[in-house]
Amino acid sequence: KAGVTQTPRYLIKTRGQQVTLSCSPISGHRSVSWYQQTPGQGLQFLFEYFSETQRNKGNFPGRFSGRQFSNSRSEMNVSTLELGDSALYLCASSLAMGTEGNIQYFGAGTRLSVL
Amino acid sequence: AQSVTQLDSQVPVFEEAPVELRCNYSSSVSVYLFWYVQYPNQGLQLLLKYLSGSTLVKGINGFEAEFNKSQTSFHLRKPSVHISDTAEYFCAVSRNSGGATNKLIFGTGTLLAVQP
Repeated sequence: KAGVTQTPRYLIKTRGQQVTLSCSPISGHRSVSWYQQTPGQGLQFLFEYFSETQRNKGNFPGRFSGRQFSNSRSEMNVSTLELGDSALYLCASSLAMGTEGNIQYFGAGTRLSVL
Repeated sequence: AQSVTQLDSQVPVFEEAPVELRCNYSSSVSVYLFWYVQYPNQGLQLLLKYLSGSTLVKGINGFEAEFNKSQTSFHLRKPSVHISDTAEYFCAVSRNSGGATNKLIFGTGTLLAVQP
């Protein structure tokens, strides 16, 4: 079974631009969560989608948004990029069903550099 | 709210020696507990999890962890480490609410540095 796939792996953008990151979950997984990893703040939760609906949201500004499609694939968008948005963005998927449904499996991440 | 503390930012150890990476958590509700490993330029790989049942859980690559509710700890252990175990290890907690996926709260990570 294929794992969580994130594209692209690397991105370089300039301040003020916007960016879209993509995540394909493990087949059969219905929940997709996004996390930001930086040296200063560590791993922080951005948001979680289930059945095309955002169920949970972390403490990030409105410039960070996401969506989920009917096939459970998810995209994350960051508008008006700032230097501080440079980070590794990780996507995780889970079954969201039963006790085992709480286990999140991560992709390799997208490394975003904002210049 | 939940929080996770990994007191050791770095743990140096010689190859074939045992190692323990410490993790303590705080929560007013029942939680699930996880250990993830991150190799350079990669995502997070699940090492092991505690969801319910036996408090001693075994994971991949010879790692194990013990859930201690009274001490709110979930320390990770390996009896004999290899050079290939060099990586960053993250302890994480999520609220136990049945089947719904809840956000993971991560510790700050522990760098395990295995020396020959």
